[in-house]
Amino acid sequence: DTGVSQNPRHKITKRGQNVTFRCDPISEHNRLYWYRQTLGQGPEFLTYFQNEAQLEKSRLLSDRFSAERPKGSFSTLEIQRTEQGDSAMYLCASSSTWTGDYGYTFGSGTRLTVV
Amino acid sequence: AQRVTQPEKLLSVFKGAPVELKCNYSYSGSPELFWYVQYSRQRLQLLLRHISRESIKGFTADLNKGETSFHLKKPFAQEEDSAMYYCALSGGGTYKYIFGTGTRLKVLA
Repeated sequence: DTGVSQNPRHKITKRGQNVTFRCDPISEHNRLYWYRQTLGQGPEFLTYFQNEAQLEKSRLLSDRFSAERPKGSFSTLEIQRTEQGDSAMYLCASSSTWTGDYGYTFGSGTRLTVV
Repeated sequence: AQRVTQPEKLLSVFKGAPVELKCNYSYSGSPELFWYVQYSRQRLQLLLRHISRESIKGFTADLNKGETSFHLKKPFAQEEDSAMYYCALSGGGTYKYIFGTGTRLKVLA
């Protein structure tokens, strides 16, 4: 297990196109989180899953954003009809509730540029 | 409102000098506080959590509920400590974080 893996590392897309990102968490971790980070800011919470259930979505997540974790393993984040304001680093993290440890393991992120 | 404030965007210190990275929070319940670090070209990684009361790489942080602060300290800075540091808060059993805007630490030779 090499940690949390995110693909692609970089994505450049034209405004109006749809994009999908993938996150593979640490296999023993039952929680998976998506955050977004823009320049000069800390990561902002988007959504999280416990196993396959999406337990919370931020109000930042407009209807153009959807996330899934179909089998409680990997997750995808899709952005439809991208806008220039969607340009950001999208971070995935995972953790385990079994240990009672709130600490995350982060992936390297997917940098999205909308042109 | 729940909030984490890191008042310094940039902190420059000389090697061997003490370091204190400030973090203040606003939270109505009992929060869990963390420090995350991001070295150049690396992913964000957990440095410290207040419940562990541990010292990692010479860094310590004490939760002061009266002052609602969780400052990160190190007595003698090293060049390899240069990085971006984020303070984060979690609470209410949600496991989601509220991050501060981060402080870039530069340790000068």
